[in-house]
Amino acid sequence: ELKVEQNPLFLSMQEGKNYTIYCNYSTTSDRLYWYRQDPGKSLESLFVLLSNGAVKQEGRLMASLDTKARLSTLHITAAVHDLSATYFCAVDMSDDKIIFGKGTRLHILP
Amino acid sequence: ETGVTQSPTHLIKTRGQQVTLRCSSQSGHNTVSWYQQALGQGPQFIFQYYREEENGRGNFPPRFSGLQFPNYSSELNVNALELDDSALYLCASSLGTGGNTEAFFGQGTRLTVV
Repeated sequence: ELKVEQNPLFLSMQEGKNYTIYCNYSTTSDRLYWYRQDPGKSLESLFVLLSNGAVKQEGRLMASLDTKARLSTLHITAAVHDLSATYFCAVDMSDDKIIFGKGTRLHILP
Repeated sequence: ETGVTQSPTHLIKTRGQQVTLRCSSQSGHNTVSWYQQALGQGPQFIFQYYREEENGRGNFPPRFSGLQFPNYSSELNVNALELDDSALYLCASSLGTGGNTEAFFGQGTRLTVV
């Protein structure tokens, strides 16, 4: 059974600081997603990572994938308040059946 | 905008009732997956439909059932509602089973069971 573990589950940080969210998964997969979710809203796709060593960046967020270690990271650079949200790592089990982590609630303090 | 639409957006039902939720997939997509997201949790895979057939199911009881129509839109039906069924229900459409596209999520249906 595929399991996806994120840590930390809750993160409170100051604006301007850097931090990394970690995502470990238990079996091989050919697709890993990062999503953002604001309270009461649906999922916003941030990144899709398809291959070992993949790195994608959008603004202050950068995601990477190490398929050998079954590890993905979401790095936040110089955090701003607008990045406060819950971030989910999710792994494609097969044929677009997606298994999600529990999410990381990110709270950025001004 | 993902092109995936769900209806209704909010719904309140009484314990024991039945509910039907609807999802229109993105144009060109033939696969719809449904997820349940309880408050404070990550989404949980319920089941997937590919070309009108169920194509995988998560750990949900049989009172959760679904349909996919020839236009690839889909319904999620839940019978004998329980309080714990209160959640955000998300559908995702994709060009699945070997298609090299990502899944796109709708805006969700918030179901409250009282």
